[in-house]
Amino acid sequence: AQSVTQPDIHITVSEGASLELRCNYSYGATPYLFWYVQSPGQGLQLLLKYFSGDTLVQGIKGFEAEFKRSQSSFNLRKPSVHWSDAAEYFCAVGEITGRRALTFGSGTRLQVQP
Amino acid sequence: DAGVTQSPTHLIKTRGQQVTLRCSPISGHKSVSWYQQVLGQGPQFIFQYYEKEERGRGNFPDRFSARQFPNYSSELNVNALLLGDSALYLCASSFDARTNEKLFFGSGTQLSVL
Repeated sequence: AQSVTQPDIHITVSEGASLELRCNYSYGATPYLFWYVQSPGQGLQLLLKYFSGDTLVQGIKGFEAEFKRSQSSFNLRKPSVHWSDAAEYFCAVGEITGRRALTFGSGTRLQVQP
Repeated sequence: DAGVTQSPTHLIKTRGQQVTLRCSPISGHKSVSWYQQVLGQGPQFIFQYYEKEERGRGNFPDRFSARQFPNYSSELNVNALLLGDSALYLCASSFDARTNEKLFFGSGTQLSVL
């Protein structure tokens, strides 16, 4: 069964600083990988996804992520964080066959200091 | 165009009661998935429906059931509520069931079981 680990429960960065959120996955084949963001009281918004091809993927709001098969990782990065980026971030692995369910990590809460 | 809409937004029930949550997908979307998000955790897959048929089920007891209507809206039913059923229930829609590439999430229904 697939699984996703987000080692950092809570991260605080200063506005304008760079950001990296870690994600490790376990899946029996080449995975579909996603990063979602959730603001308080809101649903999930897709930031970016990796299905195949270039291992560095660009997303919305200036985010990018790099798929590293050897490390089973899909870390999310942003060069300069804005106060509006404060939210909960979820990494997910998607089944490529069958029921197509997403398995999410437990999330990383990002706090941005002025 | 309207996004995924869920109702009600908040709900309070007592143990042993039954609850019905509703979801209207984005216009043109034929697949609806349900996820449970317990506080402090990532969402967990409950069901996927496509063209009124169940296409996938997560590891949830039979107290959880769902259905999809001809207009592609969906209901999630939970019987014999337990305290542990308290969670944010998210609905997601997509054009079809063959891919999880483009899932659009609603803002969820916050269920509290007392």
